[in-house]
Amino acid sequence: GNSVTQMEGPVTLSEEAFLTINCTYTATGYPSLFWYVQYPGEGLQLLLKATKADDKGSNKGFEATYRKETTSFHLEKGSVQVSDSAVYFCALRGNSGGSNYKLTFGKGTLLTVNP
Amino acid sequence: NAGVTQTPKFRILKIGQSMTLQCAQDMNHNYMYWYRQDPGMGLKLIYYSVGAGITDKGEVPNGYNVSRSTTEDFPLRLELAAPSQTSVYFCASSSETATNYGYTFGSGTRLTVV
Repeated sequence: GNSVTQMEGPVTLSEEAFLTINCTYTATGYPSLFWYVQYPGEGLQLLLKATKADDKGSNKGFEATYRKETTSFHLEKGSVQVSDSAVYFCALRGNSGGSNYKLTFGKGTLLTVNP
Repeated sequence: NAGVTQTPKFRILKIGQSMTLQCAQDMNHNYMYWYRQDPGMGLKLIYYSVGAGITDKGEVPNGYNVSRSTTEDFPLRLELAAPSQTSVYFCASSSETATNYGYTFGSGTRLTVV
């Protein structure tokens, strides 16, 4: 079945530092890939997505590139802010089989950015 | 634009009590889902529905029931609450015509069973 593995947290950075959160996946076919963000006390919000190989999703200074050769979708940001402190989830939606509308989530990575 | 609305936001239950978590969406999405989120464990799918009158089990359905009588509503029923059901519950919805855009989530219900 489909699975998502993302780096264990927590991750603590200083403001303006570079961020990478690794995400790798296992899936048949050509899944769509997503990053979701969960701010404290809130639900998950879609941060960015990529639907085919070599696509780059981007939003709010965050980027992730769909790498089929390495089955990865790493999240990056060049300069983090305190307001980026949140839990980040990598997820995939399979494109084969009858249940291809369901998302599979990673366990989440807690990011804390200190001023 | 309300999106996905969950009620209540917080609830404390005693062991053995029952309750219903409400979820409503106003986007005419066919697909709806219930997840629970335990600390450090990510999200686990409890039940899902692909349309009114159709529901199916996810990864962790034991101790829960759902119904989907309308497109808009997807309540989750807990019977005989147990401490293991202490968690944060999220409802989500998606459209088969916009599946590349993932899910829209509600803001969650924090449930404590004591």
